[in-house]
Amino acid sequence: DQQVKQNSPSLSVQEGRISILNCDYTNSMFDYFLWYKKYPAEGPTFLISISSIKDKNEDGRFTVFLNKSAKHLSLHIVPSQPGDSAVYFCAAINQGGKLIFGQGTELSVKP
Amino acid sequence: ETGVTQSPTHLIKTRGQQVTLRCSSQSGHNTVSWYQQALGQGPQFIFQYYREEENGRGNFPPRFSGLQFPNYSSELNVNALELDDSALYLCASSLRGVGNYGYTFGSGTRLTVV
Repeated sequence: DQQVKQNSPSLSVQEGRISILNCDYTNSMFDYFLWYKKYPAEGPTFLISISSIKDKNEDGRFTVFLNKSAKHLSLHIVPSQPGDSAVYFCAAINQGGKLIFGQGTELSVKP
Repeated sequence: ETGVTQSPTHLIKTRGQQVTLRCSSQSGHNTVSWYQQALGQGPQFIFQYYREEENGRGNFPPRFSGLQFPNYSSELNVNALELDDSALYLCASSLRGVGNYGYTFGSGTRLTVV
């Protein structure tokens, strides 16, 4: 029962261009959605979150969009930089306060 | 403000053995959660502890157990280790009831079962 899904295992983008990472979910009762960045042998690092009552949140080069009717969210990174290369996890917090992760998308930003 | 620290960083165990992993929570956090991340997968929720009691459990057998101590540090114990238990084990602390809970992760313990 995969409640949070990232259907693209990998994404390759040119430096300076926009990176768009997508995430779908099945549980309409999630309270918050979050994006984490992860390097090998390190724990996930928090990037940005969005409340279920909002449809957009922006922090510097990172913007998260939430489409509740489609149960879909996306993370936009503009402009992409080589240092952004990592695995990105979409996650959601349910009403019990538990954090549920997607499978991850590996982003590669090429110079 | 101290972050989440986990120990040990790496561990090799033999099938059938028992293992204990440790986690120190971020200062001010009152909840700790454990996750298992297999290669190429997202972190899978094992269980969560709040006020020293288990507060939710994922799809893991009873041989996975835990403890939370009064200082909010925590242990994950796994009995009768199986080869499939080889994974990165992540600990996260959070503050229950506050916004997006402020989930903060440690760097993990890499467990290899041979």
